[in-house]
Amino acid sequence: QLQLQESGPGLVKPSETLSLTCIVSGGSISSTGHYWGWFRRPPGKGLEWIGNIYFNGSPYYNPSLRSRGTISADTSKNQFSLKLSSVTAADTAVYYCARLRGVVAADSWGQGTLVTVSS
Amino acid sequence: QSVLTQPPSASGTPGQRVTISCSGSNSNIGTNTVNWFQHLPGTAPKLLVYTNTQRPSGVPDRFSASKSGTSASLAISGLQSEDEADYYCAAWDDNLSGVIFGGGTKLTVL
Repeated sequence: QLQLQESGPGLVKPSETLSLTCIVSGGSISSTGHYWGWFRRPPGKGLEWIGNIYFNGSPYYNPSLRSRGTISADTSKNQFSLKLSSVTAADTAVYYCARLRGVVAADSWGQGTLVTVSS
Repeated sequence: QSVLTQPPSASGTPGQRVTISCSGSNSNIGTNTVNWFQHLPGTAPKLLVYTNTQRPSGVPDRFSASKSGTSASLAISGLQSEDEADYYCAAWDDNLSGVIFGGGTKLTVL
C-alpha cells in the first residue's frame, strides 16, 4: 500500500528557506502516469496547490509563489522535496505531499506537517 | 479570491441530498476536467471524484458529480454525520498553467 510521509522542520524563521521532504513507500516515484505534488492549507483558509513534478520532467509551480518554490525528485531514495525561499508568516500552513493521477487528481496523501514561520 | 467559485457553506439533515456548486471559466472547467476533494482539518484530504464524474475505489456511490460548460457540481445523497467536512473543486487552468482550487464549501450536517 502506497504511503507518503512529510518530514522537515516545524518552525522556520522569516526570510529563511522552508525545506520539506516526502518519503514514499509501497510504490515508486518513477511509476509512469503519476505526478507527485505539494499542497498546503494555511490556518483558516482553503487548500492551495504549490507544485507538481514528474520523475523525469520539469516541475510546475503555482504562479502565486513568485518563483520562490523549488521541487525536486530523488529516484534513488524514492522521495521528492520542496524548498520555499524567503518565507513569511503567510507561508504558515499544514503542508501535504501527494501522488497524482495526471496533474490535478491527488489520490494518495501524506498526513501533513505543520510549518510555522516565526522568529 | 479563488478562480473557481464555491458557496462558502452548505447544510443538510441526515438522509438528505445536498449539492455543492463550482463555477469557473473557459480556461479551466470549460476545457479541463474537474476533481473534488473532501478535507477534514487535521486529516489528509481525500479525492472523491476525478475526471468530472469518476469515483476512486472506496468512495461510496452516495457521492456523485457532474459538469456542464464552465460549471460543475458535487452531490451527496443519504447525508451522514461523517460527511461533515470541507469540500473543494479543483481543475487545471490553461491561463495560469497551474492547478486551481475553489475556495471550499463547509458542509454542516444538522
